[in-house]
Amino acid sequence: SAVISQKPSRDICQRGTSLTIQCQVDSQVTMMFWYRQQPGQSLTLIATANQGSEATYESGFVIDKFPISRPNLTFSTLTVSNMSPEDSSIYLCSVGLADTREQFFGPGTRLTVL
Amino acid sequence: AQSVSQHNHHVILSEAASLELGCNYSYGGTVNLFWYVQYPGQHLQLLLKYFSGDPLVKGIKGFEAEFIKSKFSFNLRKPSVQWSDTAEYFCAVNANAGKSTFGDGTTLTVKP
Repeated sequence: SAVISQKPSRDICQRGTSLTIQCQVDSQVTMMFWYRQQPGQSLTLIATANQGSEATYESGFVIDKFPISRPNLTFSTLTVSNMSPEDSSIYLCSVGLADTREQFFGPGTRLTVL
Repeated sequence: AQSVSQHNHHVILSEAASLELGCNYSYGGTVNLFWYVQYPGQHLQLLLKYFSGDPLVKGIKGFEAEFIKSKFSFNLRKPSVQWSDTAEYFCAVNANAGKSTFGDGTTLTVKP
C-alpha cells in the first residue's frame, strides 16, 4: 500500500494569487497523478506527474495554469496559478502501484477562492 | 477513450433495504474496475476492486460487486444497508494502475 499526505489540507485564497500544494508518499512510486473534484462533482484527472520530465496534461488543463513538479519518486507539487473562484475545488494527489494495479488517494486539499 | 456511467445520481433507502448501484463502462481492452466511497467530509476510500478471476468480488463493509463482461457492467450491491452507509459512491475504471476515469458518482442517503 501507499500512504499519501498533502499540504495544506485546506486554504482560502484571493483571486489572482497562486497556491502550491504538496504531495508526499511514504514509498517510491513511479505513477503519480493529480485530480480535481469540483463541488458536487466527480474526480477529473488533471495530469500525470512524471519524474524527471514535464507533466502530461489531460484535455482542458494546461501547464501555465497548473504547473507540476516531480523532483523525485516520493514527492510532487501542483500549483494553481492566477486563481479565480472557478478553481475552488478539492485537489487530490494519487499514486498507482503497477504490481498490484491499485490506486491510492491522498486526503485532498480543499481550496476556496474568493 | 475510457468512460464510466453511473445511472443513479441520488438513491434514498430505508435501513435494511437492499442496494444496487449501476455502473457501465466503455473501453475496448482489458480494464481494472473499482468502487470507491466518500463519506461526508472524508476522503476517498476503496470499497472493492476487480482485476481478473471470479467476477463476483467482495469488499469491505458487506459490499460486493459483479463484473458482467458482456454488459460492460460492474454493479455494486449490499443486501441490507445501514444509516452509516450514507455517502457518495464512485465507480472507476483504468487500464493501468493510476490513470482512472471516474463516474459522476451516486449519492446514497439511508434513512434510519
